[in-house]
Amino acid sequence: EPEVTQTPSHQVTQMGQEVILRCVPISNHLYFYWYRQILGQKVEFLVSFYNNEISEKSEIFDDQFSVERPDGSNFTLKIRSTKLEDSAMYFCASKDRKNTEAFFGQGTRLTVV
Amino acid sequence: AQSVTQLGSHVSVSEGALVLLRCNYSSSVPPYLFWYVQYPNQGLQLLLKYTSAATLVKGINGFEAEFKKSETSFHLTKPSAHMSDAAEYFCAVKRGSTLGRLYFGRGTQLTVWP
Repeated sequence: EPEVTQTPSHQVTQMGQEVILRCVPISNHLYFYWYRQILGQKVEFLVSFYNNEISEKSEIFDDQFSVERPDGSNFTLKIRSTKLEDSAMYFCASKDRKNTEAFFGQGTRLTVV
Repeated sequence: AQSVTQLGSHVSVSEGALVLLRCNYSSSVPPYLFWYVQYPNQGLQLLLKYTSAATLVKGINGFEAEFKKSETSFHLTKPSAHMSDAAEYFCAVKRGSTLGRLYFGRGTQLTVWP
């Protein structure tokens, strides 16, 4: 069964460093998302991406964040200068044109020290 | 604006007992509603969805949910809990069927006792 794949599963980084979280969405999907879940809190929307541009972003998605679909298969989230409060589980999701539901990856646990 | 409230951050049941996980939503337009499950160290898996067809929706693993517009609720039920149902369950709402973002509840951790 097709699935969304995220790498790495766990990343530890020092405060102020740049990180790139990688996702391979399901191959025929057209809509892509990033969500995050800080420990003990809700899953929160970060950004949606369609037709090679950002469609919507939340107030969390500030200038420190960027997304890219560099090669038609990968979908990346970059955090330029990580802060302690960026520590969270980051989920990538994708959706096709027809169905309402998004399919989620396993998540990347980011720990900023 | 869309929002979701899940009543009870933790629910414990005995194996074989009824599972009831509560979800209330607010939405300015007819909503699409979802229940996702997260097993330990795994991602979010879709259990079931409501998309304005039948109000009683059946999902995987014997779960079902009923959309009640008058109560703005979408509670998740399973007649008989199994040990393997232990997980975290998230209710979510979205505005539209295409690109719309999901708004999640805080999640309910289900524990099943033998």
